Amino acid sequence: NAGVTQTPKFQVLKTGQSMTLQCAQDMNHNSMYWYRQDPGMGLRLIYYSASEGTTDKGEVPNGYNVSRLNKREFSLRLESAAPSQTSVYFCASIRRPGQVNTEAFFGQGTRLTVV
Amino acid sequence: SQQGEEDPQALSIQEGENATMNCSYKTSINNLQWYRQNSGRGLVHLILIRSNEREKHSGRLRVTLDTSKKSSSLLITASRAADTASYFCATDLLGAGSYQLTFGKGTKLSVIP
Repeated sequence: NAGVTQTPKFQVLKTGQSMTLQCAQDMNHNSMYWYRQDPGMGLRLIYYSASEGTTDKGEVPNGYNVSRLNKREFSLRLESAAPSQTSVYFCASIRRPGQVNTEAFFGQGTRLTVV
Repeated sequence: SQQGEEDPQALSIQEGENATMNCSYKTSINNLQWYRQNSGRGLVHLILIRSNEREKHSGRLRVTLDTSKKSSSLLITASRAADTASYFCATDLLGAGSYQLTFGKGTKLSVIP
């Protein structure tokens, strides 16, 4: 199994440009998450989707939108990129949050630079 | 704000020594998890301890949980150079119909051969 796949792995944007980060999981997990990781800040939750058809804001949602396209796919969109959004973005999924299979599986990350 | 905070921020030890990392959190939890991140990679789940457990083992890993102090520790015994990585604790926030997993800032472990 591929697990959690993120595309692209690297991206450079100019300020004001838009882009969508893609995430897909093949483990039939219910919940999916987008985090950003900045030096000294750890991982901060941007948005999450508890189940297909639902999305909720996390700790740092401003400047982002998400779409849970189906059970497999959860995309993150930057409508007008800003230098403050330069970061490494991670997608994660969990089979059954709060129950037995509750560990998160992570993608390899997307390193985004906004100039 | 972030739920978990690891301590120390960085730790450097010799191969063969034990490494201990601590995590403190703020609110009640259902479980606490520890993850590892190698440089430039995604996080990998190591071990989960439930709120009604006090200690758990997995190979060279030992995790303790003290819910009265809202703290956990991760002990890696007989460390190896390959253990060099960042380690994060994660706590859950279980609400109606949703589930958030929040991470601390991590402890960067360097194991010197």
